[in-house]
Amino acid sequence: KAGVTQTPRYLIKTRGQQVTLSCSPISGHRSVSWYQQTPGQGLQFLFEYFSETQRNKGNFPGRFSGRQFSNSRSEMNVSTLELGDSALYLCASSLEAGYGYTFGSGTRLTVV
Amino acid sequence: AQSVTQLDSQVPVFEEAPVELRCNYSSSVSVYLFWYVQYPNQGLQLLLKYLSGSTLVESINGFEAEFNKSQTSFHLRKPSVHISDTAEYFCAVTWQTGANNLFFGTGTRLTVIP
Repeated sequence: KAGVTQTPRYLIKTRGQQVTLSCSPISGHRSVSWYQQTPGQGLQFLFEYFSETQRNKGNFPGRFSGRQFSNSRSEMNVSTLELGDSALYLCASSLEAGYGYTFGSGTRLTVV
Repeated sequence: AQSVTQLDSQVPVFEEAPVELRCNYSSSVSVYLFWYVQYPNQGLQLLLKYLSGSTLVESINGFEAEFNKSQTSFHLRKPSVHISDTAEYFCAVTWQTGANNLFFGTGTRLTVIP
């Protein structure tokens, strides 16, 4: 079956712009989580959606937001981009915590 | 507070030698434990997981990890590494109740030397 699909794979944006990243989970998975990976901070949890509701949120500013649609696809949005937002953004889907998480290949965002 | 510690940031090892990547966690509640591997320019791939039952878990490519509750550890081992095992390895924990997010260690870069 198809894995977790993230689009686009690479993105270059200018400071102050906004960006939307997309994630399609594995069919049947209702939980979608987002993570930011940087060399300095490592892997950090952004937020998790389950059945279109944000169920959990990490310690990120309000510029980072997300949503989940009825088909479980999810988007995350970052407004007013800063240089420090440059990172690999990873999406993961799961049935529930006890079943493990499947990650997509990520979106590499570069802010210039 | 919960935390995950990977004691070694880099581990060089010769091909066909054994390796152990260490992971310790701190949690006041029961946890699920995972090891993920990341190859360059790729996402994370699940290597193995401990949910319950037998404390020794194995992956299909020869890795194994043992959950030790008393030492709060989940070390990853392989008896004989290959060049293709060169990658970044992340230990992660999530809690059996409450939040459904992974908390990651800082990663261990395994380099297999020919």
